[in-house]
Amino acid sequence: EAGVVQSPRYKIIEKKQPVAFWCNPISGHNTLYWYLQNLGQGPELLIRYENEEAVDDSQLPKDRFSAERLKGVDSTLKIQPAELGDSAVYLCASSLDHGTGGFNTGELFFGEGSRLTVL
Amino acid sequence: AQKVTQAQTEISVVEKEDVTLDCVYETRDTTYYLFWYKQPPSGELVFLIRRNSFDEQNEISGRYSWNFQKSTSSFNFTITASQVVDSAVYFCALSEIRFYNYGQNFVFGPGTRLSVLP
Repeated sequence: EAGVVQSPRYKIIEKKQPVAFWCNPISGHNTLYWYLQNLGQGPELLIRYENEEAVDDSQLPKDRFSAERLKGVDSTLKIQPAELGDSAVYLCASSLDHGTGGFNTGELFFGEGSRLTVL
Repeated sequence: AQKVTQAQTEISVVEKEDVTLDCVYETRDTTYYLFWYKQPPSGELVFLIRRNSFDEQNEISGRYSWNFQKSTSSFNFTITASQVVDSAVYFCALSEIRFYNYGQNFVFGPGTRLSVLP
């Protein structure tokens, strides 16, 4: 079974340019997460989707960041315009949660991440 | 608020030594999950273990073992007879347990970089 797939793996852009990252979660996983990981730090949540609904975007800088998960499967995270401080790894994760069927499963599956460098 | 602390930023050991990675957490929830993830140089975080807060039984899996002590809010991870392939960044994480709801809020610690030297 394929894991969480992210692209591109690496992206170098100049500041003020736009950039987009794509994530395809594990088949059947209803919850999708975008995390930001700065160098030497742990992942920090940007946004969480339950199916196609963004249920937690409180940490997403909405002036320049946007995300979508139109059909409740794959997702895109966009930054426009990028700033120097956006240089980081953007991680996508997914999980299978039971919703009204019971307890959440408690395990995230991560992609390899997209490393962004803003010059 | 939830918080995870990993006081050890970097650890270096020689192959075959035992090493323990410390994790201390803070939460007001009475039920929660604790996790350890491994992040090798490739970048993908790999799930190692999940414990729930009402099960304090320690666990051993091959060369890995985990010591969960609710009284001290600690969830330490020990690698016995370390190998070069164990070199990675290890993250401790905390999330709530929710029923009849989707997803959960994960809080990750800052990570401990383990270098196992040959």
